[in-house]
Formats: sequence, structure tokens, C-alpha cells
Amino acid sequence: KAGVTQTPRYLIKTRGQQVTLSCSPISGHRSVSWYQQTPGQGLQFLFEYFSETQRNKGNFPGRFSGRQFSNSRSEMNVSTLELGDSALYLCASSTGQGEKNEQFFGPGTRLTVL
Amino acid sequence: EDKVVQSPLSLVVHEGDTVTLNCSYEVTNFRSLLWYKQEKKAPTFLFMLTSSGIEKKSGRLSSILDKKELFSILNITATQTGDSAIYLCAVVYLSGNQFYFGTGTSLTVIP
Repeated sequence: KAGVTQTPRYLIKTRGQQVTLSCSPISGHRSVSWYQQTPGQGLQFLFEYFSETQRNKGNFPGRFSGRQFSNSRSEMNVSTLELGDSALYLCASSTGQGEKNEQFFGPGTRLTVL
Repeated sequence: EDKVVQSPLSLVVHEGDTVTLNCSYEVTNFRSLLWYKQEKKAPTFLFMLTSSGIEKKSGRLSSILDKKELFSILNITATQTGDSAIYLCAVVYLSGNQFYFGTGTSLTVIP
């Protein structure tokens, strides 16, 4: 089975711009979760999508949004970028249900905001 | 407010040493606790713990959960330089599929 893929792997943007990141989960997985990872804050949960619906949401401003398509691929959008948005953005896929429900992470997208 | 606290924040040991990493949590609706290892890339899954007192073991790594005292430990025996990484623990809520991560323990193993 192919793993979780994320594109692009690296991005450089300037303040005020917007960015869209993409995540393709493991085949058969219906849940995609997004995280922001920074050195000081660790892994911060952004949101989770399951069957095209946002099921859980973390404490991030409305500039951070996402969606999921019928093939379970997910996109995350950040508008009006700020310097503090520079981070590694990880997505994780899982079945989204059942007891043994570990998440498998993609390689991440490294976003730098100048 | 729910929280997951890992300690120590960082650790430097020599090859061959044994280390114990701690993860304590205060969350409502606890379902399970997971450990991940993160090197210079995405976290990779190590263990999932749902029941108290049952040790999970994989080679030199082992982990156990105490649901009464609300903590888990990850033990690594006979450490090797390849064990150098950030170790993350995450708590999964009973409802939905939300994972709440601690800030991690950075382990450095020197030859």
C-alpha cells in the first residue's frame, strides 16, 4: 500500500499571500487530520475530515480552512499568511473508526513565510 | 483544559544506556494513548495502549499505561545512536478521531 503523500514538500510565500496544501491518504482511509508543527509548540491539531465532513476542529483562526473530496484527498488552505504560520504542516490518515485506529503521517509540507 | 505533558523535554545519553520517557495526561473522554518516533521527517507509529498494566514490547522498546494515575512510560534499553529522535505521545478521545499530542521528548544518543 502506498503511504500518505503530501504536496508540495516545500513552499516559500510572503506575508499576505494564501497557500493551499494537499494530502492524499492511504487507500481505504476515510479520515484525514491536519497538524501544524513548530519547535516551540509541538504538534498542534488543526482539523479532521471524515467522509468529506469536518468532524473535529482545533483552536486555529478562520484563516485556516480545509476540505475533503469524495476520494478522501484533502486540502488545507491558509489565507492572509503571517510570519508565525511558518511551520511544518503534517497530515495523517486513518480509518477514522474502530478501536485500533492509529494515524499514519505524511512527510509534511515545510512552509516558510517571509 | 485538556493537556498532555511529556518529560523530560530533552535528554542526552550514551549508547547502551536505558532511558524512560514519561507522558502524563489530563483529558476527558480518554480512549487510547499512542507513542510515535519522529526523526527528520514524519512521525512513525510505535505503540497504541488502551488498557492499564499491559506492556507493549517491540525489540528494545516497551511501553505501559496507567489509567488510574493517568500516565504512560516508554522505555528504551541498550540505546543506539539510531534511537536519536523526538518521541511524541498522543491521547485519542473516545468520541471522534481527535489526537492530542504532547510537545515531545528530544532524545540524543551519543556514541
